[in-house]
Amino acid sequence: QVQLVQSGAEVKKPGASVKVSCKASGYSFTSYYMHWVRQAPGQGLEWMGLINPSGGTTSYAQEFQGRVTMTRDTSTSTVYMELSSLRSEDTAVYYCAREFRRGAEDKFDYWGQGTLVTVSS
Amino acid sequence: DIQMTQSPSSLSASVGDRVTFTCRASQRIGSFLTWYQQKRGKAPKLLIYAASSLQSGVPSRFSGSGSGTDFTLTISSLQPEDFATYYCQQSYSIPRTFGQGTRLEIK
Repeated sequence: QVQLVQSGAEVKKPGASVKVSCKASGYSFTSYYMHWVRQAPGQGLEWMGLINPSGGTTSYAQEFQGRVTMTRDTSTSTVYMELSSLRSEDTAVYYCAREFRRGAEDKFDYWGQGTLVTVSS
Repeated sequence: DIQMTQSPSSLSASVGDRVTFTCRASQRIGSFLTWYQQKRGKAPKLLIYAASSLQSGVPSRFSGSGSGTDFTLTISSLQPEDFATYYCQQSYSIPRTFGQGTRLEIK
């Protein structure tokens, strides 16, 4: 069965970086794009970007350009999201989500359990 | 970027009620619209894709409709487990924007 298992909670100081992992299993890792979505406390869902695990190409939301880097390791079927220059507003739960795409059928069908990143001095 | 606007932002209803949520896109997106349900402390769960297709395993009381810019999610008869927050998302273009959510509360 498809599973996305994320790394554990992190506490970081302002200005630091954080790297969250998402290990995929139960499907062909390189056949599906992976997206990252975050959710600040009490707020809605915010799309951050995506990575194509096959070639490693990425696309990031404008508000994260220059601060976010998404990478993958095909040998371990793991994608990573690194966010730098952290500020308190980056305190959020970060999710990875697999994109299933077939014609008009385009959906995030599996999600990781979420990783809480707390930014505090 | 395509803006997604959901209404209402919150809704109170009772078990057995029929409820409808609305999602509007700032430009035409065909049927590239997905609905998710999120319960407190949990990851979002896929309900409806391609505007009206029910994801496998999702109860048939959930249904979606619409195309272009206006979309709806309907729950035909509310069950206790349906009280949650519902988000729409467009899959027409990057960035993959979400609506701000509709919180469904027990009356």
